[in-house]
Amino acid sequence: EVQLVESGGGLVKPGGSLRLSCAASGFTFSSYAMDWVRQAPGKGLEWVSFITSSSTYKFYADSVKGRFTISRDDANNLLFLQMNSLRAEDTAVYYCVRARLSGYGDSWGQGTLVTVSS
Amino acid sequence: DIQMTQSPSSLSASVGDRVTITCRASQGINNYLAWYQQKPGKVPKLLIYAASSLQSGVPSRFSGSGSGTDFTLTISSLQPEDVATYYCQKYHGAPRTFGQGTKLEIK
Repeated sequence: EVQLVESGGGLVKPGGSLRLSCAASGFTFSSYAMDWVRQAPGKGLEWVSFITSSSTYKFYADSVKGRFTISRDDANNLLFLQMNSLRAEDTAVYYCVRARLSGYGDSWGQGTLVTVSS
Repeated sequence: DIQMTQSPSSLSASVGDRVTITCRASQGINNYLAWYQQKPGKVPKLLIYAASSLQSGVPSRFSGSGSGTDFTLTISSLQPEDVATYYCQKYHGAPRTFGQGTKLEIK
C-alpha cells in the first residue's frame, strides 16, 4: 500500500524557516516524480513544487520561487521542502503527492499544517 | 503561464441528476488534464487522468472528456456521497496549475 506521511509543520513567525518532510513507503520511491501541493484554510488547491526522479528537474510556483527548495533522499525514501522567508500567505496544509507517468498525482499524504503568524 | 478556469464555481443538484463540470485551459494542453475530488475535511483523490481515463476504483458514473482547451467531468447519476469540491489540474510542464474548484452540493 502506498503511504505518504508528511511532518515538520507548525507555527512560525513571518520571515522564519521550516523544513517539511514526506516519508514514502509501499512503492519504489526513486522511480517517481513528486509534488508539493498546498491548501490555505477554506481555499482551493495550489501547486507549489515538483521534482523529477533522480532530481534531474525541479520546478516552483512563482509564489514560492527563490524562497522554497524541493529535494529528495532516495536512499531513505524521503521528500523535503525547505521553506525560507515565510509569509502569512504561506499558511496552509501542505500535501506530498506522488506523480505518475507524465505527471498526474495519484497518491496524496494526509498533509501537514504550516501556520505563519506573529 | 496557462490558466485553468472551472465553471460553475458551485452547483446544487438532485440525487440521480446528470452533473457536468467544465474546465477550460487558456492554451492547448493536449490531454494532460486530471480531475480530483475532495470531500469535506478529506484529502484530495484522483478521479480521472489523461482527460478521460478513469482511475482504478473510481465508480463508473464518473467520466471525463475533452482535449486541447476544453474539458468536462460528468457524473451520470449523482449520489449523496458525491458531495465534494472538484478540481481540474494541468500536469504537463510547469506550473502544474489547478482550477479554482467547483463545490457540488445536493439539492
